[in-house]
Amino acid sequence: GAVVSQHPSRVICKSGTSVKIECRSLDFQATTMFWYRQFPKKSLMLMATSNEGSKATYEQGVEKDKFLINHASLTLSTLTVTSAHPEDSSFYICSARDRDRGPYGYTFGSGTRLTVV
Amino acid sequence: ILNVEQSPQSLHVQEGDSTNFTCSFPSSNFYALHWYRWETAKSPEALFVMTLNGDEKKKGRISATLNTKEGYSYLYIKGSQPEDSATYLCAFSGGYQKVTFGTGTKLQVIP
Repeated sequence: GAVVSQHPSRVICKSGTSVKIECRSLDFQATTMFWYRQFPKKSLMLMATSNEGSKATYEQGVEKDKFLINHASLTLSTLTVTSAHPEDSSFYICSARDRDRGPYGYTFGSGTRLTVV
Repeated sequence: ILNVEQSPQSLHVQEGDSTNFTCSFPSSNFYALHWYRWETAKSPEALFVMTLNGDEKKKGRISATLNTKEGYSYLYIKGSQPEDSATYLCAFSGGYQKVTFGTGTKLQVIP
């Protein structure tokens, strides 16, 4: 089956530093990548959608200069949290879409727990 | 902003009991409705992808129904087991792109 590898699974960083999270589709081409964040006691909130080779589309309220998304190839997308602050501490998860599989083509990574101290 | 809601927010049931929860979503521009099972520190596990009004799908003791005209889906678990304890998420896809998640139902099955 389709697999998305997300790294790191956990990261602790100091306030003011940047953190990069990677998502790789291992056995399919991810035409679209979705990045989600889970807020405390809430569900997964979509942050942005990126299509390979083009700029990401950010949801309302998400700072694009803070959460940099790159989708340079069909198998790799990265989310960089720049100048991280404690309020950025959260669970981040990607979902890769294989367009050829229609509605069945969404596969999640395993998530990254970010703690900013 | 799409409104995808799930109820109840949390549920405690005894082992062996059957249970069900609801997902409501916009009834226009429907593409697909997804159900996921999500355990802490793991990747969400896809349970069902439902695309047609009236769809009924089953996987072991878990089944789901879909009504796109009125905008709801039910997830049923028959004879709940402790290993069914998880958060169950539904997600609505209104086109060929983004998937919007519901608020989730946290199920705890008490042995």
